[in-house]
Formats: sequence, structure tokens, C-alpha cells
Amino acid sequence: KAGVTQTPRYLIKTRGQQVTLSCSPISGHRSVSWYQQTPGQGLQFLFEYFSETQRNKGNFPGRFSGRQFSNSRSEMNVSTLELGDSALYLCASSLADRSSYEQYFGPGTRLTVT
Amino acid sequence: AQTVTQSQPEMSVQEAETVTLSCTYDTSESDYYLFWYKQPPSRQMILVIRQEAYKQQNATENRFSVNFQKAAKSFSLKISDSQLGDAAMYFCASHGYTGNQFYFGTGTSLTVIP
Repeated sequence: KAGVTQTPRYLIKTRGQQVTLSCSPISGHRSVSWYQQTPGQGLQFLFEYFSETQRNKGNFPGRFSGRQFSNSRSEMNVSTLELGDSALYLCASSLADRSSYEQYFGPGTRLTVT
Repeated sequence: AQTVTQSQPEMSVQEAETVTLSCTYDTSESDYYLFWYKQPPSRQMILVIRQEAYKQQNATENRFSVNFQKAAKSFSLKISDSQLGDAAMYFCASHGYTGNQFYFGTGTSLTVIP
């Protein structure tokens, strides 16, 4: 079974631009979560989508948004980029079933904002 | 809400020796899962081990085992016969039965000394 894939793996953007990151979950997984990872803040939860609905959201400004498609693939968008948005963005998929909550992570997208 | 605390930012161990990484958590839920994830320098997060809170028996996975103390809300990871490939950042995480979110600790960076 293929793992979680994220595209692109690396991205360089300029302040003020917007960016879209993509995540394809493991086949059969309906839950996709997004995290921002920085050296100073660790893993910060952005949001979780399940069956195309946002079920949970972390404490990030409205510039961060996401969506999930009917095939469970998810995209994350960041508008009006700031230098502080430079981070590794991780996507994780899960069955989100009571018998199995573990998340499987993708390799991440390294975003650098200049 | 839940919180997960890892009080050891960095740890080191001699190859072939045993090391224990600490984790404490706080949750209002009566049923929950606990996890240890490993993030090697290549950045792909990997599930190491999981524990269901209702199970009294400590989980084990080959050289990895946990010491789960429910009353003390403690969930430590023991790595036996440490190998160079165990060098990584280790994250402790919790997930409640009713919630939709993982809560991660800040991580412990493990160095394995040859």
C-alpha cells in the first residue's frame, strides 16, 4: 500500500504570495490532518478534515485554510505569506476509526518564505 | 483539551545500551490512545508504538517498550540495545476516543554514540 505523499517537497516563495500544498492519503484513509513544524514551536496542529468536512482547527490565522476532496486528497493554502510561515508542513492520514487512531505521516513540504 | 509534556529536550545513549524517554500527559477523557513517533533526520515521521489506555499491559514492539502508569499519567519509552539507526527526534502523542485531534509533545532528540 502506498504511503502518504505530499507535493511539492520543497518550495520557495516571497512574502505576500500565496501557496498551495497537496497531500494524498493512504488509500482508504478518510481523515487528513495538517501540522506546521518549526524548530522553536515543535508540531503545531493546523486542521483536520474527514469526509470533506473540517472537523477540527488549531490556533492559526485565517490565512491558513484547507479543503478535502471526495477522493480524500487534501490541499492546504496559505495566503499573504509571512517570513514566519517558513516551516516544514506535515500531512498525516488516518482511518480515524475507534479501533485505530494512529496517524501516518507524509515526508512533508519544506516551505521557505523570503 | 489535552497536554503532552516531554521534559527531556535531548538525550544520548551508548550503542547497545538502554535509554528511557519520558512523557507525561493530561487528559479529561477516560479512554484514549498514547503513541510514540520517531522522526529521523530524513524527516518522515514513523509510528514506533501505541498503547490503549484501558489496557494494563505495557505495549512492546521488538526493542521498544513502554512503561504506562495511568494513575500518574506517565508514558515513557524504553529503547533496548540501542542502534545507530535509533538516532532521531521522538515525539509522544495522545488521542482521545471522543476527540478528533492528536496532541504532541515537544520532542526529545536522541543521539546514539558509537
